[in-house]
Amino acid sequence: EAGVVQSPRYKIIEKKQPVAFWCNPISGHNTLYWYRQNLGQGPELLIRYENEEAVDDSQLPKDRFSAERLKGVDSTLKIQPAELGDSAVYLCASSPGGYRDTEAFFGQGTRLTVV
Amino acid sequence: AQKVTQAQTEISVVEKEDVTLDCVYETRDTTYYLFWYKQPPSGELVFLIRRNSFDEQNEISGRYSWNFQKSTSSFNFTITASQVVDSAVYFCALLLYNQGGKLIFGQGTELSVKP
Repeated sequence: EAGVVQSPRYKIIEKKQPVAFWCNPISGHNTLYWYRQNLGQGPELLIRYENEEAVDDSQLPKDRFSAERLKGVDSTLKIQPAELGDSAVYLCASSPGGYRDTEAFFGQGTRLTVV
Repeated sequence: AQKVTQAQTEISVVEKEDVTLDCVYETRDTTYYLFWYKQPPSGELVFLIRRNSFDEQNEISGRYSWNFQKSTSSFNFTITASQVVDSAVYFCALLLYNQGGKLIFGQGTELSVKP
């Protein structure tokens, strides 16, 4: 079974440019998460989806970040415009649903460098 | 406030040594889950264990063992007879039963096992 797939693996952009990250969760997983991991830190949740619905986006900086999960499968996270402080690894994770009963499975992440 | 503290930023051991990674958590909730994840250089977070707050039984899986003590709010992880392949960053995380699937991670402990 394929794991969580993210692309691209690496991205370097200039500040003020837009950037987008893509995530394909494990087949059949209804819950999808986007986390941001700063260097030397643990991941922090940005947004959680249950199917197509964003059920927790309280940590998403909505002035420049947006996310979507059309058809309740793949998801895209966008930053526009990017700032130097956005340099981090962006991790996508999925779980079958019923988070109380299962663990989340993570992708390899997208390492973003803003210069 | 909920918080996870991993006081050891880096640990270096020689192969075959035993090593314990400490994790202390804070929460006023009575129902929660605790996790350990491994993050190898490739970047993905690999699930190791999940424990709920009502199950204080220690667990052993091969060379890995976990000691959960509610009295000290600790969930420590021991690797017996460490191997070079154990080198990675290890994260302890907390999930609150009533706050969705949001994982609260510690800052991680980087374990280096030298031959």
